[in-house]
This record gives sequence, C-alpha cells and structure tokens, in this order.
Amino acid sequence: EPEVTQTPSHQVTQMGQEVILRCVPISNHLYFYWYRQILGQKVEFLVSFYNNEISEKSEIFDDQFSVERPDGSNFTLKIRSTKLEDSAMYFCASSVGSTGELFFGEGSRLTVL
Amino acid sequence: GNSVTQMEGPVTLSEEAFLTINCTYTATGYPSLFWYVQYPGEGLQLLLKATKADDKGSNKGFEATYRKETTSFHLEKGSVQVSDSAVYFCALFEQTGANNLFFGTGTRLTVIP
Repeated sequence: EPEVTQTPSHQVTQMGQEVILRCVPISNHLYFYWYRQILGQKVEFLVSFYNNEISEKSEIFDDQFSVERPDGSNFTLKIRSTKLEDSAMYFCASSVGSTGELFFGEGSRLTVL
Repeated sequence: GNSVTQMEGPVTLSEEAFLTINCTYTATGYPSLFWYVQYPGEGLQLLLKATKADDKGSNKGFEATYRKETTSFHLEKGSVQVSDSAVYFCALFEQTGANNLFFGTGTRLTVIP
C-alpha cells in the first residue's frame, strides 16, 4: 500500500540552526501539507501546497518557514533559524483532491536545544 | 471561524466496554467531518468520515453521525478492544474556506484487558 514517508524520524539541533525535514508524498497525490504537534497538544496546520505553490498557510508559518517541492517527488519543510518552541512532531500529509482525506507520514520529531 | 471541541481525555475502559468520545464543531459553511486515529508511534490515519448532515461514517466497528442540529460528530463503538488504544482526533474540513483540516485536541483512549 502506498504511504507517505518522512525523514529524519528524529532530529536534534541547536537553537538558531537551520533544519530541513523531508517528505515523499504518495505519487499520484496533488495536495501536500505540513502539520505539527507539540507534545501533548493539538495537531496544528502549518501550510498546504498545490500546483507548485502555497495555497494556504497558518499564522504559525512565518518567515522562518519555507516549503519546496524540488524534484517532483520530495516535499520539504525548512526552518531557517530554529527556536526552542519549534520543538514538536512534524507531520507531512498528502491527498488526491481537496477533500480532507489526508494520508499522513509517521512524523519527524524535532528537538531544539 | 472554524473550530473543533473534543472531549478531554484520557479515557480508560475495560475491554468490551462501550465507548463514546464527544466532538462538537463550529464552521462558517458546510464542512466534512472526520475522525482520525493515531496509534502509538505512528502517524494519523483516517478512521471514518461524513460529508453531509445525517451521514453516518463507520469503520472497524466505530461509528459517528453528522448532526447538523447539534453541530456534533460523536464517536462510538459498542465493544472496545485492547488494540483500539490510541489517540482519537475529531477534525473538520471546509473546502470553500481555509481548505485544510482543523483538528480537535485529541482524546487518548486506553483499553485494559
């Protein structure tokens, strides 16, 4: 069964460092998303991406964040200068259409020290 | 704006007990409603969905009915199993609005033998 894959599964970084989280969405999917979940809290929307551009973003997704689909298969989330409060589990998701039926990866845990 | 209010957890039940997890929503239009489940160490998976009022979503013995009059989408299962232990998230998606999933805070269910 096709699945969304994410790397790395866990990354530890120092505050102020750049981090890139990678995702390979399901191949025939057209919509791509990043969500995050701070430990013990709700799953929060960061950004959605369609047709090679951002379609929606939340207020969390400030200038420190960017997304890219560099080669038609990968979908990356970059945090330019990490802060302590960026520590969270980051989930990538994809969907065929804009229906709410998302397929999620297993997540990348980011720890900022 | 859109929001989802979900019953606080954690919930601990004995095997074969009846489960209800309450979920109510606020939306500006006509959302689709979902329950997603997160098993330990995994990403979120779609459990069931309903796209319009009075629809009943069902899967793996779980059910939820879209009640427009009470703006609710409560999750139920008649007889839980140990393998149902997970975190359950209610979510809404409004295609004409923000075009992304809004999640509730999640309810952790533990089923003991």
